[in-house]
Amino acid sequence: DVVLTQTPPTLSATIGQSVSISCRSSQSLLHSNGNTYLHWLLQRPGQSPQLLIYLVSRLESGVPNRFSGSGSGTDFTLKISGVEAEDLGVYYCVQGTHAPYTFGAGTKLELK
Amino acid sequence: QVQLKESGPGLVQPTQTLSLTCTVSGFSLTSYHVSWVQQPPGKGLEWMGRIRSDGDTYYNSALKSRLSISRDTSKSQVFLKMNSLKTEDTAIYYCTRDRVGAGFDYWGQGVMVTVSS
Repeated sequence: DVVLTQTPPTLSATIGQSVSISCRSSQSLLHSNGNTYLHWLLQRPGQSPQLLIYLVSRLESGVPNRFSGSGSGTDFTLKISGVEAEDLGVYYCVQGTHAPYTFGAGTKLELK
Repeated sequence: QVQLKESGPGLVQPTQTLSLTCTVSGFSLTSYHVSWVQQPPGKGLEWMGRIRSDGDTYYNSALKSRLSISRDTSKSQVFLKMNSLKTEDTAIYYCTRDRVGAGFDYWGQGVMVTVSS
C-alpha cells in the first residue's frame, strides 16, 4: 500500500500566520490517465472530516481561498495563507491513485 | 441537500458481527460511490472499502476477509457488515460520498462503535 508521510505532525500558529503542511508519498501519485489523485481534508475537533482540496490543487466549493494545494509526483503541500481560528484541527492528505485509498497520519494545527 | 447518516449499535461483543447502515439523501447511489472509513479513538483515518455506483465492491485487503458492503438503492441505504470483531475495531465509523477521482466530498456524522464484553 502507498504510505503518505505528513510533516510536521503538529503545527503551532498565530492568527494571520501563513503555514504549510507537507505530504510525501512512497510512490508517484501520477496516474496513467494523467491525473494525480491527491486530496486534502480537515477534521475539526469533534467533527467529521471535510474536503478542502482535490486533485492536488482544486479548491472544493465553499472552501476559503486562503487554502491552496500544490505539488506533483511524490511531494505535495497544503498552504494556509493567513490562519483563522476556524482552521484549527487535524489535516489529512489522502491518495486515490493506487488501491486501496490511504491517508496520511495527520497534521494537527494548534494556536500558539 | 446531500446528507449521509450512519446508524448501528453502539456496543458489540468481541467475535460478534457489526452491522451498520448508511442512509443517504440528496443523491443517488447509482450515480456515486460510497466508502466506509474507520477512525479509532484519538487516531487517524483508515479506508475500509467502497461500493461503486454500479454495485461493484472493493475492500481494503487488511479487512477483506471480514468485511462486506452492500446496498439497497430503493431505500438509499448502504450496509457494512464486519465479522469476528476485536477490541481494536473500536472506532468511529463514517460513510462518505466518494466522488470518483475528486475526493470524499460529503461525510456522515459518524457512529461510535465499542467492541467490549
